[in-house]
Formats: sequence, C-alpha cells, structure tokens
Amino acid sequence: DGGITQSPKYLFRKEGQNVTLSCEQNLNHDAMYWYRQDPGQGLRLIYYSQIVNDFQKGDIAEGYSVSREKKESFPLTVTSAQKNPTAFYLCASSIGGTRYEQYFGPGTRLTVT
Amino acid sequence: GNSVTQMEGPVTLSEEAFLTINCTYTATGYPSLFWYVQYPGEGLQLLLKATKADDKGSNKGFEATYRKETTSFHLEKGSVQVSDSAVYFCALRDTGNQFYFGTGTSLTVIP
Repeated sequence: DGGITQSPKYLFRKEGQNVTLSCEQNLNHDAMYWYRQDPGQGLRLIYYSQIVNDFQKGDIAEGYSVSREKKESFPLTVTSAQKNPTAFYLCASSIGGTRYEQYFGPGTRLTVT
Repeated sequence: GNSVTQMEGPVTLSEEAFLTINCTYTATGYPSLFWYVQYPGEGLQLLLKATKADDKGSNKGFEATYRKETTSFHLEKGSVQVSDSAVYFCALRDTGNQFYFGTGTSLTVIP
C-alpha cells in the first residue's frame, strides 16, 4: 500500500534535547511538507520541499530544521531553540500540479517536559 | 495574499440533520479547492475536491460546489451520522502550488 508513514506515534522528550521526527513516503511524490497543529487550531506550515536537496521555510520555521537527501524521506528536527515544541506534527506530500491534493501521514504527538 | 476562511465551530447536530459548513477563499487565478476530514489523533484525509469553477466534488454523501462568483466552497451533507463527528478543513492549492488551510470546524453528531 502506498502512503506516508510517520514514526513514532508518540514521542516524549526532556526540555533542552533535540528530537527528530521521521516522515517517509512511497508515493513517488516530489513535494513534502511539515505542519504543526496545536489543540483546537488549524495547520501551520513549518517547512516544505519541492525537490530533493532543496527546502523552504514556512510560516513558523524558527527552532526547526529539515533535510531532504532522498525523495522519499523528509525528517524534521525540533531543536532546543523551539520555545514551545509540544504539539501534533503532520507530514504531507503531493505531486506537482494545481489539481492535486496533499496526502497526510498519521502524525506524531510530541510532548516535551 | 491567498487565504481560506471557514465557519467557526464547534457545530453540534442531531443524527440525520442537514449539515452546512461554510468556506470562502481569496486567491488569484484558478485554484483547486479541497475538503479534508480529521478524526481525533489522526492525520487529515481528503474528503472531496474540485479543480475548476462549477465543479461539484462529492464523497460519502458530502458535496461541495466550486463557486467562483461567490468565491465559496461550502460543504453539505443531507443527513449526518454519528460517525461523521470529526474536524473538517477547507483548503486551496493556488497556481503557484502553495496550499492554504482554513482553521477547521469541529462537528459533533449526537444520536
């Protein structure tokens, strides 16, 4: 089955530690995205990548970093510089062309204490 | 800039009631429009889409029509079920391939 996997589903970290969230897709999509979702709120774009070895900051990139070394993988690192990292993180992918939707992974809930 | 505005929630309906969730957008050119559904603790799933003016997207009894004259894409369902309880997001993809999401509308259907 084609799709997007995110692991782990739940992640717990101590304040001051960096943590990396995994996102893998086998849909052969060029573009990948990371969103943050806080309780009762919509999606906020952190980073996106339209092609391998290239990525762009979204609306709330501060305190986060990404890499795109392979087409199928787009890991997100939440650094200790992120002031309020506890949130639900969603990865998505899409193919090019205005007509096409994003496909979303199941999400990772990160809790930092 | 481009944006999506959808009605505030939460919305609570009795089973078999009629549902409308309003969505309006601002965009240049001819964006594609989408409705996504999110169940608790899960990612977003595409519910339906429309890629040009006057197109009607439909799926699982839900419908939405792309109205360019009113820049709207309202979601409707004639008879909701308890299993429709979820958060619904309206979204657009513009001609520059950027995605914009509404803030989501929480729907609870009571038996």
